[in-house]
Amino acid sequence: QVQLVQSGAEVKKPGASVKVSCKASGYTFTNFYMHWVRQAPGQGLEWMGIINPSGGSTSYAQKFQGRVTMTGDTSTSTVYMQLNSLRSEDTAIYFCARTIITPYYFDYWGQGTLVTVSS
Amino acid sequence: EIVLTQSPGTLSLSPGERATLSCRASQSVSSSYLAWYQQKPGQAPRLLIYGASSRATGIPDRFSGSGSGTDFTLTISRLEPEDFAVYYCQQYGRSPLTFGGGTKVEIK
Repeated sequence: QVQLVQSGAEVKKPGASVKVSCKASGYTFTNFYMHWVRQAPGQGLEWMGIINPSGGSTSYAQKFQGRVTMTGDTSTSTVYMQLNSLRSEDTAIYFCARTIITPYYFDYWGQGTLVTVSS
Repeated sequence: EIVLTQSPGTLSLSPGERATLSCRASQSVSSSYLAWYQQKPGQAPRLLIYGASSRATGIPDRFSGSGSGTDFTLTISRLEPEDFAVYYCQQYGRSPLTFGGGTKVEIK
């Protein structure tokens, strides 16, 4: 069965970076795209960007351009999301979510990783 | 970007009642590229509907989606206890992908 398993919760200070992982299993990793979506406490969902694990091409939401990097490792079927220059507003649950090549609706989600930014 | 507005913000209903949730887009959503998700506390969202009206695998037929252009609806024909949750719409016709603010369906 398809599973997306994310790394554990993180606590970071303002200005630091965080790198969250998402390990996929149960399907052919390179046949699907992976996205990152975040959810601030008590708030809605916000799309951050997409990575094609086959080749590594990425596209980021304008809001995160210059601050986010998404990478993939086909040998371990894992994708990573690194967010730099953290601020308190980045406190959120970060989800990885899979889509087919096109169109982009999310059929499987990771369990989420809570990132807390606090001094 | 396409802004999605969901209404109402909260829907208070009893089990067995019908729920009608609305999602309105600021621009036409191409090819009816609209999805609906259910989210329960402490869980990731779950895909219910894609392509505006196609049920995802394993989703009961009491969930149905309709609409096109800028107006979309999710209907739950008879609420079961496990249906009380927050529901989000999402458009994937144009980048950036965007979500509505959510509708909470709560027990009356």
